[in-house]
Amino acid sequence: NAGVMQNPRHLVRRRGQEARLRCSPMKGHSHVYWYRQLPEEGLKFMVYLQKENIIDESGMPKERFSAEFPKEGPSILRIQQVVRGDSAAYFCASSPKGGEQPQHFGDGTRLSIL
Amino acid sequence: GENVEQHPSTLSVQEGDSAVIKCTYSDSASNYFPWYKQELGKGPQLIIDIRSNVGEKKDQRIAVTLNKTAKHFSLHITETQPEDSAVYFCAASIRSGGGADGLTFGKGTHLIIQP
Repeated sequence: NAGVMQNPRHLVRRRGQEARLRCSPMKGHSHVYWYRQLPEEGLKFMVYLQKENIIDESGMPKERFSAEFPKEGPSILRIQQVVRGDSAAYFCASSPKGGEQPQHFGDGTRLSIL
Repeated sequence: GENVEQHPSTLSVQEGDSAVIKCTYSDSASNYFPWYKQELGKGPQLIIDIRSNVGEKKDQRIAVTLNKTAKHFSLHITETQPEDSAVYFCAASIRSGGGADGLTFGKGTHLIIQP
């Protein structure tokens, strides 16, 4: 069974550009969570999505960040007009059911802003 | 919202000895407590989890205990081995049959196993 797949593994952007991070959940999983990890820190919850629906975006910055999980294809975390402070590792996790099943993580996308 | 405190931030033990990592949480509604192991350049890997209706759970060399009254839970690793060296994170969330909050993580413990 393939695990949670994230791409790209590393992404470099200049200030003001857009960053798109992709996450394909494990087979059979319909719930996706995005987290951000700063160096020497724990992971911070950003957003929770089910197919075509945002369930909880309480951890998302109000501006420049958006997420989607379309009916077909991977979940996308989009950061517009990136700034240096957006440099971090972004992790995606998936679960088959939101309530009772554990979350399994991908290996993340390391975003660097020049 | 939930707040999870984890300590120590660094733990060094001799190979073969036991390691204990402790976490406290603030929201009494939290009912699910997973532990993750993260190796350099990798994503967190679930190693064990416990739900609030259970006080202790064991899986080979790993055990987790939960004290709901005191709102703290601990990870115990016995007979440590070099491959146990990693960063360990505790987390908490509210889970129900209809859905789950995102996980709130502690800041991590860097476990170093000395040969």
